[in-house]
Amino acid sequence: AQSVTQPDIHITVSEGASLELRCNYSYGATPYLFWYVQSPGQGLQLLLKYFSGDTLVQGIKGFEAEFKRSQSSFNLRKPSVHWSDAAEYFCAVGSAGGTSYGKLTFGQGTILTVHP
Amino acid sequence: NAGVMQNPRHLVRRRGQEARLRCSPMKGHSHVYWYRQLPEEGLKFMVYLQKENIIDESGMPKERFSAEFPKEGPSILRIQQVVRGDSAAYFCASSPWTSGRTGYEQYFGPGTRLTVT
Repeated sequence: AQSVTQPDIHITVSEGASLELRCNYSYGATPYLFWYVQSPGQGLQLLLKYFSGDTLVQGIKGFEAEFKRSQSSFNLRKPSVHWSDAAEYFCAVGSAGGTSYGKLTFGQGTILTVHP
Repeated sequence: NAGVMQNPRHLVRRRGQEARLRCSPMKGHSHVYWYRQLPEEGLKFMVYLQKENIIDESGMPKERFSAEFPKEGPSILRIQQVVRGDSAAYFCASSPWTSGRTGYEQYFGPGTRLTVT
């Protein structure tokens, strides 16, 4: 069964500092990978997605993620964090086959706090 | 173009009552997914529906939970005889007709926060 692990429950960074959120997945085939952001009391917004091809994926709000098959990782990065980036971030993997098509499996989330 | 709409946003039920959660997908989207987010946990898949069909309900609890997506109207997630453990945020996502990878273009609603007292 597919699974996603986000090792860091809570990360704190200073505004302007760089950011890396870790994500490791377990999936039998080539995974479809996603990062979502959730602000308090809100739904999830898709930041970026990886299906195939270039392993460095650009997303919205200045985020990027790199797919590393050898490490089963899909870490999210941003060079300079803004106070408005404070939120909870979820990594997810999508199943590609059969009736589970489109089903997303989420990690437990990483809460990002940004200090001024 | 309105996004995915869910109502109510907050719902309080006493133990034993029924909860009905509604989800109106984005215009043109015919696929709906329901996810549940328990406190301090990530989202867990519950059910995947197309119009008038349940495609995958592998994440639904075996009892008290049901879902539908009729030809007309919103998708409904129904929880009968609610218990305290049902308290959670329930999110709906929709996607356009599934072709290739479009099924993964899921747009999430704001969620319904269910509290069982």
